[in-house]
Amino acid sequence: SAVISQKPSRDICQRGTSLTIQCQVDSQVTMMFWYRQQPGQSLTLIATANQGSEATYESGFVIDKFPISRPNLTFSTLTVSNMSPEDSSIYLCSVEDTDTQYFGPGTRLTVL
Amino acid sequence: GESVGLHLPTLSVQEGDNSIINCAYSNSASDYFIWYKQESGKGPQFIIDIRSNMDKRQGQRVTVLLNKTVKHLSLQIAATQPGDSAVYFCAEKRHYGGSQGNLIFGKGTKLSVKP
Repeated sequence: SAVISQKPSRDICQRGTSLTIQCQVDSQVTMMFWYRQQPGQSLTLIATANQGSEATYESGFVIDKFPISRPNLTFSTLTVSNMSPEDSSIYLCSVEDTDTQYFGPGTRLTVL
Repeated sequence: GESVGLHLPTLSVQEGDNSIINCAYSNSASDYFIWYKQESGKGPQFIIDIRSNMDKRQGQRVTVLLNKTVKHLSLQIAATQPGDSAVYFCAEKRHYGGSQGNLIFGKGTKLSVKP
């Protein structure tokens, strides 16, 4: 399976600021996804990062709040904009290989 | 509504015993299922998957059983070890014609292994 890395691994941010999370894969992949995992909860899909076009957002998530870039087949970024304490979560990048999704280590975000 | 859920939110077992983690799904159109293990501070790790044309699949110390009649999925871990302590998630996917649906996660079961 692909090796996925994320940066930063964790951060503490002030409300009103923005944080960009990077996801790097060691091989070219077609499908990349961003998930949110709130404390003690399951995973919720934010969006599918499409290479060369706008991301596809799930219900409840909008581009202005979570802009996503996908400049090539090995890299994507997720920005959490104008953060509030409710955005404190783990943000996970994943890639798909023949139906199966593999996850990065996650970025643990705390918003004060 | 459609959902993927678990019967037990927590499970405590003795080291060396077998563990069984259960998952119920409500949509018979789901045709692909995955079990993930998530250790504290880490991302979910793929354990094993199964497609709807099978009812059992075995891996190393793990077995997944699929009962489509009652829409039930289980993960069996043989000879549970302290390193198996984690939260386990089931996930389902539905394929619509030639399109792939999204992966939908269950709530998770925390497995604690007592030495």
